[in-house]
Amino acid sequence: QVQLQESGPGLVKPSQTLSLTCTVSGGSISSGSYYWSWIRQPAGKGLEWIGRIYTSGSTNYNPSLKSRVTISIDTSKNQFSLKLSSVTAADTAVYFCARTDRGSNFDSWGKGTLVTVSS
Amino acid sequence: DVQMTQSPSSLSASVGDRVTITCQASQDINNYLNWYQQKPGKAPNLLIYDASNLKTGVPSRFSGSGSGTDFTFTISSLQPEDIATYFCQQYENLPFTFGPGTNVDIK
Repeated sequence: QVQLQESGPGLVKPSQTLSLTCTVSGGSISSGSYYWSWIRQPAGKGLEWIGRIYTSGSTNYNPSLKSRVTISIDTSKNQFSLKLSSVTAADTAVYFCARTDRGSNFDSWGKGTLVTVSS
Repeated sequence: DVQMTQSPSSLSASVGDRVTITCQASQDINNYLNWYQQKPGKAPNLLIYDASNLKTGVPSRFSGSGSGTDFTFTISSLQPEDIATYFCQQYENLPFTFGPGTNVDIK
């Protein structure tokens, strides 16, 4: 069974770049027709889809974040990554990575990692 | 963006009760709707896809229905382990969007 694990700094200063990596285990990130997504959730609030990447490197981003987001994939390491630039306190959230079946169904999730934006 | 609304925002019911949550989309999304369960401190878990299809391994007391703009999620007999927040998610259009969630508690 595939497992996902987010990693990266838990504290980022305002105006800097948030960087997270999701490591996939229990299966190849290149197998099947899966996309790989990032989703975030501010404390006590709802879920916001950030974007997705296919194994080919093709990406789709949420327009609300598009100017600041980059998602990349490293199939040799079985990982995909998120970079979010020019962060503010509004970017403080739990960040989840998720396998995305049929491009749209988040069927396996990491446990999530809390990223706090503060000086 | 497609806006998703859910009602109620929270509910409290007794063990064995039938629980119903509604989700409404701001435009026609056909049946491109998923339902997730999120327990406190955990990641969401996909329960239903394509509005009414139960994901393998999910108990049959969970069900979904609807098409177009109006959808329903039902727990036929509420169990203590069903205490969670439930979210709908549309995938007719990018960006994918989620409902605000419904908190389900035991009375």
